[in-house]
Amino acid sequence: GAVVSQHPSRVICKSGTSVKIECRSLDFQATTMFWYRQFPKKSLMLMATSNEGSKATYEQGVEKDKFLINHASLTLSTLTVTSAHPEDSSFYICSASTGGNGYTFGSGTRLTVV
Amino acid sequence: DAKTTQPTSMDCAEGRAANLPCNHSTISGNEYVYWYRQIHSQGPQYIIHGLKNNETNEMASLIITEDRKSSTLILPHATLRDTAVYYCIVRVRDSNYQLIWGAGTKLIIKP
Repeated sequence: GAVVSQHPSRVICKSGTSVKIECRSLDFQATTMFWYRQFPKKSLMLMATSNEGSKATYEQGVEKDKFLINHASLTLSTLTVTSAHPEDSSFYICSASTGGNGYTFGSGTRLTVV
Repeated sequence: DAKTTQPTSMDCAEGRAANLPCNHSTISGNEYVYWYRQIHSQGPQYIIHGLKNNETNEMASLIITEDRKSSTLILPHATLRDTAVYYCIVRVRDSNYQLIWGAGTKLIIKP
């Protein structure tokens, strides 16, 4: 079945630094990828939708200059959290549309900003 | 905003069928219903989806009412490993076909 690999699974960074999270579709081409954020004991919150070769579409309230999304190829999308602050600490999850009606999720990245 | 409402939590005995309800009274005619589950600190796992017909796969069955305003996910023989948060989701029919997530149901399978 369709597999999405997300790395790193955990990352700790210092305030003010940037962190990049990668999301790869391993055995299919993902024209559309989605990035979510999840707070403890809460549901997934869609941050942005990225289509290969075009700019990402951000949800209302999501700072596009803080959360940079790049989808340069059909198998790779990246989320960069720039100038990270402790309030950016969260669980970040990517998802890829597998075509038809399918969606596959990555295993998530736990970001802790200290 | 989420288009679904689910009970916050449910218990089920191991080996019994777990029936998880979901209301989606504002669903449009061409919007699908998806079910995913999430075990703590992992990515969501696909379970099943449907439009208007009942669906069954190796994991579960999905029963959608005729008016499509509600559905039920059935895990036929629940095991302890089925303990998770189960999300009923309506896929919005826009250019990106986004999944709009509700709060989910915490299902606890008890021995």
